[in-house]
Amino acid sequence: QQPVQSPQAVILREGEDAVINCSSSKALYSVHWYRQKHGEAPVFLMILLKGGEQKGHEKISASFNEKKQQSSLYLTASQLSYSGTYFCGTGPSNFGNEKLTFGTGTRLTIIP
Amino acid sequence: DAGVTQSPTHLIKTRGQQVTLRCSPKSGHDTVSWYQQALGQGPQFIFQYYEEEERQRGNFPDRFSGHQFPNYSSELNVNALLLGDSALYLCASSRDRDIPTDTQYFGPGTRLTVL
Repeated sequence: QQPVQSPQAVILREGEDAVINCSSSKALYSVHWYRQKHGEAPVFLMILLKGGEQKGHEKISASFNEKKQQSSLYLTASQLSYSGTYFCGTGPSNFGNEKLTFGTGTRLTIIP
Repeated sequence: DAGVTQSPTHLIKTRGQQVTLRCSPKSGHDTVSWYQQALGQGPQFIFQYYEEEERQRGNFPDRFSGHQFPNYSSELNVNALLLGDSALYLCASSRDRDIPTDTQYFGPGTRLTVL
């Protein structure tokens, strides 16, 4: 079953903060966050693993709650370039290169 | 350092035809995964190739098949095309279980339209 993302869409002004949530009905081992702009490939933002390891971009942070089977992506001081659709993908193990099951996405629009 | 490349960019086919999509992984990557992304949806895993063999498979019919070559590049073949096969087909490459935080990097995709 695919993870559920919330909200489905959000509009923010430049400089505001955003939180995007990803909930899984299965145990979480790895969570991968990507941003996709219209007509382009998904771009890797962050990976979080059960056990605490993570890797990602400087201005983006995320949390991994194993007990609640949830992850949240935090975008602070949003910029126009942050606009796009954000997807979380969950993996079946602690290795990031395995089959990913993606959520339906959160569309983020940043306005000046 | 070239990223993941895919060809062609766009393709138009008619129902019943067959199609082959191609992918070259990022330098240093040996694992290729294929995903199908319908409009407005998240990518769905089709299968993954490693050492020229299909290692994992998603919930797709046998009409979807693939191949990986010794240079790690890969092809996705779809036979007997249906209207519902119209989608963006994404290739993602990665390194096999080298470092746990290694993730998958996506190519620009091939937009397939079936008429």
